[in-house]
Amino acid sequence: DIQMTQSPSSLSASVGDTVTITCRASQSISPYLNWYQQRPGKAPKLLIYAASTLQSGVPSRFSGSGSGTDFTLTISSLQPEDFATYFCQQTYSTLAWTFGHGTKVEIK
Amino acid sequence: EVQLVESGGGLVHPGGSLRLSCAASGFAFRSYWLTWVRQAPGKGLEWVASIKEDGSEKNYVDSVKGRFTISRDNVKNSLYLQMNSLRGEDTAVYYCVRVDEQWELQAYYLDSWGQGTLVTVSS
Repeated sequence: DIQMTQSPSSLSASVGDTVTITCRASQSISPYLNWYQQRPGKAPKLLIYAASTLQSGVPSRFSGSGSGTDFTLTISSLQPEDFATYFCQQTYSTLAWTFGHGTKVEIK
Repeated sequence: EVQLVESGGGLVHPGGSLRLSCAASGFAFRSYWLTWVRQAPGKGLEWVASIKEDGSEKNYVDSVKGRFTISRDNVKNSLYLQMNSLRGEDTAVYYCVRVDEQWELQAYYLDSWGQGTLVTVSS
């Protein structure tokens, strides 16, 4: 199975900061990488698909980039509602989709 | 509006069985792959199983193969997960999720999620 490694596992930031989360795959998966946001007690929400395509309705301060094995989620000008846990997911392998372990973004 | 509503969760003894259901509305149910994703308490997300639009193809994570069966009823707009031989490590919130696709790239993504149903396996 393809392993997904997210870093950092958690970070502290302030409103207005720019935050970067990284996801590394154990093999090339480009561009089959998605990003999700999960607020406490809620279901995950799709942010970015195919590495860099913003899902409809998601604010433009969220952006995704990367190729091959290394991908990045960037949140520009962090807002109070952005404090949540973020997960990456690969859908390169149609028989076994896998998620990263998550990155918790906390208020500094 | 896309709606996915799970039901059927609860407390079950190890070795027992449970059947989860997901009632869908607001979209052309028969035109989408569907999937179950689970999340153990305080843990990350784990893809469990997926089923093709017409039910002809099903995929499972290794840890549930031979124990779980995913199915769908395109008349009732419902998705199911039959879970047998349940273990403590199956304890989780189970989400019913719609799969969409970026056609040019054949890139799949999980665009609509239910609220989840909790399955607890304990004696």
